[in-house]
Amino acid sequence: GAGVSQSPSNKVTEKGKDVELRCDPISGHTALYWYRQSLGQGLEFLIYFQGNSAPDKSGLPSDRFSAERTGGSVSTLTIQRTQQEDSAVYLCASSQTGSGANVLTFGAGSRLTVL
Amino acid sequence: AQSVTQLGSHVSVSEGALVLLRCNYSSSVPPYLFWYVQYPNQGLQLLLKYTTGATLVKGINGFEAEFKKSETSFHLTKPSAHMSDAAEYFCAVLNSGAGSYQLTFGKGTKLSVIP
Repeated sequence: GAGVSQSPSNKVTEKGKDVELRCDPISGHTALYWYRQSLGQGLEFLIYFQGNSAPDKSGLPSDRFSAERTGGSVSTLTIQRTQQEDSAVYLCASSQTGSGANVLTFGAGSRLTVL
Repeated sequence: AQSVTQLGSHVSVSEGALVLLRCNYSSSVPPYLFWYVQYPNQGLQLLLKYTTGATLVKGINGFEAEFKKSETSFHLTKPSAHMSDAAEYFCAVLNSGAGSYQLTFGKGTKLSVIP
């Protein structure tokens, strides 16, 4: 596609429920990133996928968070047993390679609200 | 570990006035530096980046930034603010850890432009 597509754009859920957030990166982009944007906290790195390499999961805040990337393209971020502090905008980005000289293209984000 | 500090969570300028958004970073290696802009309900868009070479970098929409190694700074400027510049701006530094290329973001500066 022309850009990074994320769905849903908004999700309201009850505490304790599981949620799945989807990211469709730009076609041909081998690197995919998930970030979390909380009010007043800036952007927090969550996880990074590069081709067929093992993902860098160092930013995942707890074992309730997981992500997968199927076929080197679409990625799903799953949050189990959601808590109110999980409320945030979850941003996905992709780039052509993992090189720092390359630009990350961001999606519009999925806004998660946990009641 | 690398970090980014953006001075001022909110900056207000009059239309036509100089825009100056401050960013300082810490890095043990030569950094790659980025400025991104986020308009309401949208993803982040790259304004400009510094990798190597010329320390004064020009970006889109009339913005520029200068990499000053001695001051560990990468401040963003625009000579004359326009109403359409109202947005949130994020400075970021590349963290090229082993096998990973995660950006570390500052907490953002929200720019308001007063007519």
